[in-house]
Formats: sequence, C-alpha cells, structure tokens
Amino acid sequence: QKEVEQNSGPLSVPEGAIASLNCTYSDRGSQSFFWYRQYSGKSPELIMSIYSNGDKEDGRFTAQLNKASQYVSLLIRDSQPSDSATYLCAVTTGGGYNKLIFGAGTRLAVHP
Amino acid sequence: DAGVTQSPTHLIKTRGQHVTLRCSPISGHKSVSWYQQVLGQGPQFIFQYYEKEERGRGNFPDRFSARQFPNYSSELNVNALLLGDSALYLCASSIMGGAYEQYFGPGTRLTVT
Repeated sequence: QKEVEQNSGPLSVPEGAIASLNCTYSDRGSQSFFWYRQYSGKSPELIMSIYSNGDKEDGRFTAQLNKASQYVSLLIRDSQPSDSATYLCAVTTGGGYNKLIFGAGTRLAVHP
Repeated sequence: DAGVTQSPTHLIKTRGQHVTLRCSPISGHKSVSWYQQVLGQGPQFIFQYYEKEERGRGNFPDRFSARQFPNYSSELNVNALLLGDSALYLCASSIMGGAYEQYFGPGTRLTVT
C-alpha cells in the first residue's frame, strides 16, 4: 500500500464548476497535511495546509481533513482554466521531523 | 522578499561524474529539505537539515550527501552519477524543523547521459 494515494486523473471539469480532489494516507501518526499545485515544468507551490479535523477555507480553496478515515480533500470553487495543473497531496510522517511524503498527484483540466 | 533560490537551473552530466547542487532558503528560515522528482511522480524526500544538523534521511544510497552552512544555505552532492539520477532536484525551505510549511525553490533539472 502506498503511503499517500491520489487518483492520477485527469479530472476534467468545466469552467466555473467545483473541482474535488481526494487523497488518502496510511500513517495514522501523520499530523500535518498540505496541498501543492504544480504546473508543467515548474516546482510545487504550496496552496493549503491543514492540521486539524474539519474544513479550512482560503479564497476559492477549501481543504478538508478526516483523520479517523485518513482522508484529505481539496475543493476548488469556480474553477478557472488557470487552475489546470497537477495537485500534489503531502503528509508529514509521525517520526518527529518534517519529512513530507507526497502522492503522485492528480492532474486537473479545467475546460472553457 | 526573495523566495528559495537554487543553482544551477539545468545541468547535464555524464555517468560516473559528480554533481553539486546549491540552495538558499527564504530569509529567516533555518531548515532546508531536498527532494528528487522524476517525471510522473511526486517528490521523494532525500534529506532534511535544521540548524546545520541532519534531521532526516530518505531511502537514497550513500552516493547522496548534503550539508548546511552557517548562513543556512545548503548543498546536495551526488557521486558516481547513474542514468537513473536524472530528475528535478527540489530544495524546500521552512522556518524550522518539525511539521511546518515547506516552500519549494524552482529546482535544478539534472540530466545524466
């Protein structure tokens, strides 16, 4: 079982719709969870962090965390073509240092 | 404020050679982590340094080494390069060790021929 799993996609949504990206993780000791956006040929850009159960909203982005189910999600409201990218879910290990374990990413395509 | 910087941007090396990659963290950040990303995969953790000490090491061979300097910049060294070392090498900066947000630099694209 992979430590962090994401659907590779592509997830195709029309402009203006809500995009829902999902991620599951295996280490119950994980305490910090992050979503990064990566455009083709570029480095990952941090867009959301979440540390406790529930929802966290920042602009058009909402991160959701359910530690009991070991599940993290990212919702993108009013999706724009510029949101087309690969979204990486990252989880810190429970080992006491800040090692990030990444999923392979979900490719999102927003079409006009 | 300047973000994380890395040099060089691109690099082409031959099998068996050695390479040094460099990273400067965001001003005020004291922790640097290194990741390797191959096409189609997420970044893989190589090392973390905090206050000039190694705080974590990923599942990479001893050909990979790193260090952090008093000004918190860092370098990653890879010896005896293999074709499989071709990847994007990413440096990430965080304010300190622990479960803090990490910010990535633009990366160094290494091609081994």
